[in-house]
Amino acid sequence: SQKIEQNSEALNIQEGKTATLTCNYTNYSPAYLQWYRQDPGRGPVFLLLIRENEKEKRKERLKVTFDTTLKQSLFHITASQPADSATYLCALEGGGFKTIFGAGTRLFVKA
Amino acid sequence: GAGVSQSPSNKVTEKGKDVELRCDPISGHTALYWYRQRLGQGLEFLIYFQGNSAPDKSGLPSDRFSAERTGESVSTLTIQRTQQEDSAVYLCASSLGTGITDTQYFGPGTRLTVL
Repeated sequence: SQKIEQNSEALNIQEGKTATLTCNYTNYSPAYLQWYRQDPGRGPVFLLLIRENEKEKRKERLKVTFDTTLKQSLFHITASQPADSATYLCALEGGGFKTIFGAGTRLFVKA
Repeated sequence: GAGVSQSPSNKVTEKGKDVELRCDPISGHTALYWYRQRLGQGLEFLIYFQGNSAPDKSGLPSDRFSAERTGESVSTLTIQRTQQEDSAVYLCASSLGTGITDTQYFGPGTRLTVL
């Protein structure tokens, strides 16, 4: 079955630096991959979707890459701010309308 | 409201009791999803509704779990004879339902605690 791995250890970075989060997957070749942000006590919020034929996608300070050979996606937040502190979830299409989510990586941005 | 709403926000129940969780999707969204999120884990797909099509129930963990949706409106997730391992946050999401890449909009979730 499909498996998604995200770093379970929290990522601590200084304000202004670039945060890079990793998502690895196995046993599947998804047509697309998504990144969500989740704040404590809230549901996830969609950030970006990247398709298998796209190498990179950008939205404001966010950048996502998708390497189908390595089966890996990288999520970057440039010029990070304390308000970017949250858990970031990677999700891939699981066939049909199903979405498979990773456990997420907690990001802390220190002022 | 403009977003997905869920009720109750918190539910504490005793082992063996039945619980009903409610989801009000965004108006006009034909697709509705239920997920379960255990502490420190990712979202686990439970069930998917799309318009009047038969729901995809492939994620329901046991026959104690069931869900209904009337048309394109409210959905209820029912857990019968609750067990302690059912304790989790249950999240509902809706989307336009026009394609598999539609953005899913999530509600705040219902935190279920089974004592």
